[in-house]
Amino acid sequence: EPEVTQTPSHQVTQMGQEVILRCVPISNHLYFYWYRQILGQKVEFLVSFYNNEISEKSEIFDDQFSVERPDGSNFTLKIRSTKLEDSAMYFCASSEVGQGAWQPQHFGDGTRLSIL
Amino acid sequence: GQNIDQPTEMTATEGAIVQINCTYQTSGFNGLFWYQQHAGEAPTFLSYNVLDGLEEKGRFSSFLSRSKGYSYLLLKELQMKDSASYLCAVRGERGSTLGRLYFGRGTQLTVWP
Repeated sequence: EPEVTQTPSHQVTQMGQEVILRCVPISNHLYFYWYRQILGQKVEFLVSFYNNEISEKSEIFDDQFSVERPDGSNFTLKIRSTKLEDSAMYFCASSEVGQGAWQPQHFGDGTRLSIL
Repeated sequence: GQNIDQPTEMTATEGAIVQINCTYQTSGFNGLFWYQQHAGEAPTFLSYNVLDGLEEKGRFSSFLSRSKGYSYLLLKELQMKDSASYLCAVRGERGSTLGRLYFGRGTQLTVWP
């Protein structure tokens, strides 16, 4: 079964450094998302992306965050200057274009980001 | 704001039936999703409701009442592998498939032999 893949599975970075989290969405999907889950807390929406532009972003997704689809398969999340509070599991998700609102979002296994 | 509530923990025995409730108060509604999440793994899609009523999918069923802001996930013939966190998520106010999901904190289900 097709799946969303994310790399790396675990990233350890010094505070203030830039990180890029990578995702390969399911091949026929055209909607892409990033969510994060701080340990012990709920999954939180960061950003959605369609047709090479951001569709919606949350209050968490401030100027230090950016997303990009550099080629036909990858979807990246960049955090420019990491903070301790950015430590979390970051999930990429994708969904199909379809009729109505019922298309589910399929999640990758996540990247655990640890900021030291 | 968006508020999605579900119990923190539940326990049940193998072979039993368990019902996990979810109540929500959101500024818009375009569907309710249930996901299963094993520790350290991705949320896996289980079911979806957009209209009132029951949706059945094998051992899993999900119910929705939009007027009450209420849903439940019913798991039948429980197996040990069903031990996981079950996440209730509401698609927000954007009227498209691109709508963001608002998640509850998840219900940690433990199935005992």
